[in-house]
Amino acid sequence: DAKTTQPTSMDCAEGRAANLPCNHSTISGNEYVYWYRQIHSQGPQYIIHGLKNNETNEMASLIITEDRKSSTLILPHATLRDTAVYYCIVRVATEGNQFYFGTGTSLTVIP
Amino acid sequence: KAGVTQTPRYLIKTRGQQVTLSCSPISGHRSVSWYQQTPGQGLQFLFEYFSETQRNKGNFPGRFSGRQFSNSRSEMNVSTLELGDSALYLCASSSGRSEAFFGQGTRLTVV
Repeated sequence: DAKTTQPTSMDCAEGRAANLPCNHSTISGNEYVYWYRQIHSQGPQYIIHGLKNNETNEMASLIITEDRKSSTLILPHATLRDTAVYYCIVRVATEGNQFYFGTGTSLTVIP
Repeated sequence: KAGVTQTPRYLIKTRGQQVTLSCSPISGHRSVSWYQQTPGQGLQFLFEYFSETQRNKGNFPGRFSGRQFSNSRSEMNVSTLELGDSALYLCASSSGRSEAFFGQGTRLTVV
C-alpha cells in the first residue's frame, strides 16, 4: 500500500523552480524516500532517493524534513519536458525490487 | 549501457487467449519486477524475480505468472485473458538494493 500523500496536481511556470511536496508521516527509520516520474505512456523514470540527508543530482534536489515525515522534490528550472506525473514512494531499501506507487502529482509546466 | 528492453511494444489479443511478454534487464542486473498499469488502478506490483526465483508477489490472480532465465531475462505470462487485463505492463530491473530502472512497457489490448 502507498504510504505517501501528494497533491493531485500542480502547475509551474517554465524556468521557475517546481517544488513538489510529499507527506509520509508513518515512515520508519529504515525506509528511504524515492521519487520517480512518468511522462505519458512511458515507463517511470528514476529521479532521486534519500534516507535523511538532503540529496542533489543532475535532475533534482530532495529535501527531507528533520523528523522525516515529509519531503520536497525540487526541479530547479522547470522545462516543458518536465510535465509528468511525479511519484513519491517510501520503501525499505532491502525489500527487493518492488515499489508501491500511489496516485502521484500531475505536474504541468506552463510556457 | 543499454536500458531495459521490453517486447513487444504493442499487442492485441482476444479474450480467452494467453500472452507472453518479455523483458531484458540492464546488463548485470539480477532482479526483475513486473507491474501492471491501468487508468483505474494505477501502477500495481505484480511480482519480482531474483536469480531465477520469485522473491515477492503482489495481489494478482494465478493467471498471472512469470519466470526468469539464467541470463536474468524474464517473461510474464497471462492465461485466459480477460478484457480487464488490458493495460500497460512494465518491467523494472535493479542491481539489488537501490533504485530500479523501468522499460517502456508493453501495451496489451484484449478484445
